[in-house]
Amino acid sequence: AQKVTQAQTEISVVEKEDVTLDCVYETRDTTYYLFWYKQPPSGELVFLIRRNSFDEQNEISGRYSWNFQKSTSSFNFTITASQVVDSAVYFCALRSGSARQLTFGSGTQLTVLP
Amino acid sequence: DAGVTQSPTHLIKTRGQQVTLRCSPKSGHDTVSWYQQALGQGPQFIFQYYEEEERQRGNFPDRFSGHQFPNYSSELNVNALLLGDSALYLCASSLRTGLRRSGNTIYFGEGSWLTVV
Repeated sequence: AQKVTQAQTEISVVEKEDVTLDCVYETRDTTYYLFWYKQPPSGELVFLIRRNSFDEQNEISGRYSWNFQKSTSSFNFTITASQVVDSAVYFCALRSGSARQLTFGSGTQLTVLP
Repeated sequence: DAGVTQSPTHLIKTRGQQVTLRCSPKSGHDTVSWYQQALGQGPQFIFQYYEEEERQRGNFPDRFSGHQFPNYSSELNVNALLLGDSALYLCASSLRTGLRRSGNTIYFGEGSWLTVV
């Protein structure tokens, strides 16, 4: 069975602060893919990153960075110098083995205050 | 390059009615999946279509059915609507062969907001 846990339901920060969103996953498969999506109020899920289980290299894209640690089954997402436009719900998702679907966490509502 | 498009954007139906939602995948993609997202929750997988056939199904009753057309577009049908069917319905698009490789990404549309009253 696959499971994704996002323990932080809501986070509120002041603009320019750094913030980390946690994601813990469970799977018995050795090959799997992890995703982060951003969901603004409009509803569309905006793809942010995909990480493969065999590539533990961390990644940085502008103000965004991701820390993938297989030893702790975590795939955390950090926003540096947050901005008001970063306010949204962020979802971590897992596609495992031969499964065709994504399993999502319950999401973290991030609010960045001016 | 058109992304995933869904219609209608919003709709209101009465309990017991039937609804059809439509999705056009991203250009070059051949696989369509549907997800239901209730308020305050993460999306839940309904089913996936590839080569005009349902390939996998999540834990949803038979009231939920779908179809994929030769041009890869898809429809989601829900019969005998219940109040609990009120949700955002998201269509996801991907390339079938890419699912077996590392280079695949799954893209979502803006969704269809369904309210059942």
